[in-house]
Amino acid sequence: EPEVTQTPSHQVTQMGQEVILRCVPISNHLYFYWYRQILGQKVEFLVSFYNNEISEKSEIFDDQFSVERPDGSNFTLKIRSTKLEDSAMYFCASDRGLWPQHFGDGTRLSIL
Amino acid sequence: GQQLNQSPQSMFIQEGEDVSMNCTSSSIFNTWLWYKQDPGEGPVLLIALYKAGELTSNGRLTAQFGITRKDSFLNISASIPSDVGIYFCAGQNNNAGNMLTFGGGTRLMVKP
Repeated sequence: EPEVTQTPSHQVTQMGQEVILRCVPISNHLYFYWYRQILGQKVEFLVSFYNNEISEKSEIFDDQFSVERPDGSNFTLKIRSTKLEDSAMYFCASDRGLWPQHFGDGTRLSIL
Repeated sequence: GQQLNQSPQSMFIQEGEDVSMNCTSSSIFNTWLWYKQDPGEGPVLLIALYKAGELTSNGRLTAQFGITRKDSFLNISASIPSDVGIYFCAGQNNNAGNMLTFGGGTRLMVKP
């Protein structure tokens, strides 16, 4: 069964550094998402992306965040200048529109 | 933003027992979904509900979309040790970038 794949599985970064999290959505999916989950808390929506543009973003997704689909397969989340509070699991998800979202296994981001 | 209240927060049951958990919202969702999350992994879809009043089963799992579109429950019958994990409800409105709003999760522990 096709899967959403995310790399790396764990990223350790110094505060203030830029980080890029990578995702390969399921190949025939059209809608792409990023969510985060702070340790022990619920999953929170960050941003949705369709037709090469952001369709919705939450208040968490401020100017420090950006997303990109640089080619036909990858979907990336960039955090420009990381803060301690950015430490979390980041999940990528995708769907075909009006179908359930399928999630990757996440990238654990640790900010030191 | 929309909030989902999920209960109970945790359950510790004996193998073979039935389990019930539910989610309520102050506002309407068009779609309700139930996911399971194992440690270190992303949420895995269990059941998707698309119509108010819909009752759907997936093996030992049964979920219902409340008639008011503001609530949903998930039942697990005859629990087994591999049912251990965190169960999340999620609501979706297709006119809001397809974003998912997650409940706080129910941590299920099963004693063999």
